[in-house]
Amino acid sequence: SAVISQKPSRDICQRGTSLTIQCQVDSQVTMMFWYRQQPGQSLTLIATANQGSEATYESGFVIDKFPISRPNLTFSTLTVSNMSPEDSSIYLCSAPGIWPMDTQYFGPGTRLTVL
Amino acid sequence: GENVEQHPSTLSVQEGDSAVIKCTYSDSASNYFPWYKQELGKRPQLIIDIRSNVGEKKDQRIAVTLNKTAKHFSLHITETQPEDSAVYFCAASKGGGTSYGKLTFGQGTILTVHP
Repeated sequence: SAVISQKPSRDICQRGTSLTIQCQVDSQVTMMFWYRQQPGQSLTLIATANQGSEATYESGFVIDKFPISRPNLTFSTLTVSNMSPEDSSIYLCSAPGIWPMDTQYFGPGTRLTVL
Repeated sequence: GENVEQHPSTLSVQEGDSAVIKCTYSDSASNYFPWYKQELGKRPQLIIDIRSNVGEKKDQRIAVTLNKTAKHFSLHITETQPEDSAVYFCAASKGGGTSYGKLTFGQGTILTVHP
């Protein structure tokens, strides 16, 4: 399985500010994914972080709100921009193991609270 | 897009009993069905998965069954223990092209095992 770390583990932010979350994988992977888990809810895919090209966003998520970077095959960042209290959630990244590549492992998550 | 329904939302059992959680999916192209266990404050952990070319898979006390015709799959936990208490999520994914690795999650089941 992939070893995935995220930073920060949690943060409390003010309305209108932005937070960048980092995700590091211990091996090179072609795809990384970002999910949101609202309080007491399931996981929802935000976007696919593609190395060398723009991220692919799911319905309901836009690049201006959630810009993503993928500078290499082991690292990605997700920024939550112009935050409001509704953005309070856990944000998780995922990446596949060595094989098969559709098996996804999750980072520990970033718990975000927006005041 | 894919839609995954999960039942029940909560499940309470006595230690030693069996627990069954059921999921249905809508997209007949889905071919990969993982189950995740999420303990409070922790990341989702992959506990078992099944692919569309098999009907059943077992791993010690955990088993998953898949009925492609009916588009449903189930998680079976036998001889439950208090440490099985957690939230369980089913998910579905379809391989190929831009959907590879993307997971659509069910709503989750809170399993409580009473000693």
